[in-house]
Amino acid sequence: DTAVSQTPKYLVTQMGNDKSIKCEQNLGHDTMYWYKQDSKKFLKIMFSYNNKELIINETVPNRFSPKSPDKAHLNLHINSLELGDSAVYFCASSRMKETQYFGPGTRLLVL
Amino acid sequence: GDSVTQMEGPVTLSEEAFLTINCTYTATGYPSLFWYVQYPGEGLQLLLKATKADDKGSNKGFEATYRKETTSFHLEKGSVQVSDSAVYFCALSDYGGSQGNLIFGKGTKLSVKP
Repeated sequence: DTAVSQTPKYLVTQMGNDKSIKCEQNLGHDTMYWYKQDSKKFLKIMFSYNNKELIINETVPNRFSPKSPDKAHLNLHINSLELGDSAVYFCASSRMKETQYFGPGTRLLVL
Repeated sequence: GDSVTQMEGPVTLSEEAFLTINCTYTATGYPSLFWYVQYPGEGLQLLLKATKADDKGSNKGFEATYRKETTSFHLEKGSVQVSDSAVYFCALSDYGGSQGNLIFGKGTKLSVKP
């Protein structure tokens, strides 16, 4: 009965590749988010999205793009992966402006 | 912009010791405040929250009180256990933006020794 799930849990890939991380929530929430946690454990918002509005953190490279096929899913596509993209990526969801619940994270390693 | 500052770690305590992790914030509006915990190799779990001044959040023996006058939300526990070893994140969401993103502190790693 996982509330917010992500796949894959681990992702190891070569520089220059394109990859996707999937996120699904079964909480009936209307807003989903992607956060990046760097090697020093610092967490920063990348995107937030509901069925009306996508908000992009201005520091996120345009190689990163969220795709939402429906309200329960928000996938993260990354093009032309770079070494600096290695991090843990967390998906989260909430009702609009309420408490956010996080997925288990996807550990991405770019070689 | 809004920001969260929490005490640098790591913090190492013996079992049954008293824990305080300091957290202060800067916000232009009236934020909600949160503590999230990340156990080794896992994702973030909400530990407790407070949505207005003087509210006290509590869970699993942890407490934090929203102090508007000192812009603080310090985390406390009277007697820590080895199982409390984790990274603790203080966060705020002012909900002033359209979707209320979380702004996190840098995290404080707690290690509890038997």
